[in-house]
Amino acid sequence: EIVLTQSPGTLSLSPGERATLSCRASQSVSSSYLAWYQQKPGQAPRLLIYGASSRATGIPDRFSGSGSGTDFTLTISRLEPEDFAVYYCQQYGSSPRLTFGGGTKVEIK
Amino acid sequence: QLQLQESGPGLVKPSETLSLTCTVSGGSISSSSYYWGWIRQPPGKGLEWIGSIYYSGSTYYNPSLKSRVTISVDTSKNQFSLKLSSVTAADTAVYYCARHSGAFDPWGQGTLVTVSS
Repeated sequence: EIVLTQSPGTLSLSPGERATLSCRASQSVSSSYLAWYQQKPGQAPRLLIYGASSRATGIPDRFSGSGSGTDFTLTISRLEPEDFAVYYCQQYGSSPRLTFGGGTKVEIK
Repeated sequence: QLQLQESGPGLVKPSETLSLTCTVSGGSISSSSYYWGWIRQPPGKGLEWIGSIYYSGSTYYNPSLKSRVTISVDTSKNQFSLKLSSVTAADTAVYYCARHSGAFDPWGQGTLVTVSS
């Protein structure tokens, strides 16, 4: 089973600042099969990034993903008020088990 | 626009079987290249994948839940279903259904299932 560790647990930033979120895998994620999701309170998660760096449909270009192997990063270039939420990474390169990270909360400083 | 909607009892007694259905609209569940999955989220906690099914009926499950999980599909109704047996309080969660080809998108709005006597 691939374990995904997200850091930091909480990120306190101000609107307009840059956010850098980390997702580290316990073993290499094949073919960069890694996704990022945003979840706001009371809502279902929303896909932001798939294939480590491809933005999903309708996702603003201030969101970008990078990385390969065991280290992946989600960057939000300039935080908008609506970006304060919890972010999860998920790997889908290791069947039969799909796993999620524990999440990073981006809160208003 | 593809939409998914979960339905089922919001309260299940311990040791009983949790049953949920996901209805897909705006597209066919029989489209190739996609699986249909269930994910859950205990209150205040993270996400856990439960299992997935292809329209042909091929399934794969989270090994940690495999002994208790059954996922089935009804292509005539454009639905797929989840059964989780022998539930305990630890199974209390919001249950989501979603389409996936690895990454999950889109998701249903989720339904809270509480396990309590």
